[in-house]
Amino acid sequence: AQSVTQLDSQVPVFEEAPVELRCNYSSSVSVYLFWYVQYPNQGLQLLLKYLSGSTLVKGINGFEAEFNKSQTSFHLRKPSVHISDTAEYFCAVSETDKLIFGTGTRLQVFP
Amino acid sequence: DGGITQSPKYLFRKEGQNVTLSCEQNLNHDAMYWYRQDPGQGLRLIYYSQIVNDFQKGDIAEGYSVSREKKESFPLTVTSAQKNPTAFYLCASSIIGLRLDGGMLFFGSGTQLSVL
Repeated sequence: AQSVTQLDSQVPVFEEAPVELRCNYSSSVSVYLFWYVQYPNQGLQLLLKYLSGSTLVKGINGFEAEFNKSQTSFHLRKPSVHISDTAEYFCAVSETDKLIFGTGTRLQVFP
Repeated sequence: DGGITQSPKYLFRKEGQNVTLSCEQNLNHDAMYWYRQDPGQGLRLIYYSQIVNDFQKGDIAEGYSVSREKKESFPLTVTSAQKNPTAFYLCASSIIGLRLDGGMLFFGSGTQLSVL
């Protein structure tokens, strides 16, 4: 079975600083990878996805992620964060007919 | 507007009571999913359905039941057998099996269930 590990449960950062949220997955087959964002008391929204092709994927709100097959990683990055980026971020991997989610990383942006 | 509607937003359960969470979608999606979210544990799959009148257990199905009588609807019942039901429940849908088209999930806004 596939699994996803998000190494940091919380990431505090000051506004306008860069941020990286880490995600590693385990899989012996080709994978589809996703990052979702959840604002308080809401459902999840898709930030970006990797299906195939270029390993650098750009998403909404200035986020991007890089697929690294040799390191089985799919880290999420943003060069300059805003207060409004405060939320919980989930990495996910597809398995046959469902998504497997990581435990989430809480990004807290301070002014 | 197309989307997924979950109701109610907040729900309280008494000891020994069954409660049902509603999930309706007008996206014409084939597949629907129920996830449970607990702080620090991410999302765990309870049940999913890829076609009407058929559904599969996820990782934590014990104490829950579902039905899929219509394509648009996938209600979740939290039975009295679920001893720790307090959590945030999320319903989601997708076009078809996720790997077949690399599809993504569309989520509802969730139901917070608490025990009285």
